[in-house]
Amino acid sequence: ETAVFQTPNYHVTQVGNEVSFNCKQTLGHDTMYWYKQDSKKLLKIMFSYNNKQLIVNETVPRRFSPQSSDKAHLNLRIKSVEPEDSAVYLCASSPLGVQDTQYFGPGTRLLVL
Amino acid sequence: QQKVQQSPESLTVSEGAMASLNCTFSDGTSNNFRWYRQHSAKGLEVLVSIFSDGEKEEGRFTAHLNRANLHVSLHIREPQPSDSAVYLCAVSSMSNYNVLYFGSGTKLTVEP
Repeated sequence: ETAVFQTPNYHVTQVGNEVSFNCKQTLGHDTMYWYKQDSKKLLKIMFSYNNKQLIVNETVPRRFSPQSSDKAHLNLRIKSVEPEDSAVYLCASSPLGVQDTQYFGPGTRLLVL
Repeated sequence: QQKVQQSPESLTVSEGAMASLNCTFSDGTSNNFRWYRQHSAKGLEVLVSIFSDGEKEEGRFTAHLNRANLHVSLHIREPQPSDSAVYLCAVSSMSNYNVLYFGSGTKLTVEP
């Protein structure tokens, strides 16, 4: 049963446009994450928020900005997309206990033409 | 930064034969190890989590962890064609907010 929801499923856009992706979790978790999965299927962490506060910010271009209105929502905005931004963006949520599992959404596939 | 490597890149087994996947990691302070599965165009499904040296079984999936050797493996007993997917090893530590560092995956094909 899906408990991490992402919209849209798929988005096609032109270089230079702005895009926004939404993520919502209904698990009551305090921590949410954005990961990027490239064409070779490699998953890398981008950001993490705990109770609306940014706690992890890996080396990500400044055109990427996460936004959290409450602990159940973590959105991702990309200003002026570039071709290398084409990827699948996966949202996850988790409690912060050492043995707690991260649960992933189905992903948003972005294609930049 | 944590480096996670998986082998082999791809693996084909016959239905019913054991499938074994390997994963090495670089940070010996890691304390949280998971195997995920990803079917085409779908999200990640967690298969088994292991936190201390030894073995952990979840149904047909068994993980083995040896932190001294920086190695964790996944064994799939009696694989079925529906198990064909990409298997991802993920390593994390509480000291870094449980951020997951993934290997590049093993593509498993189970032939009938």
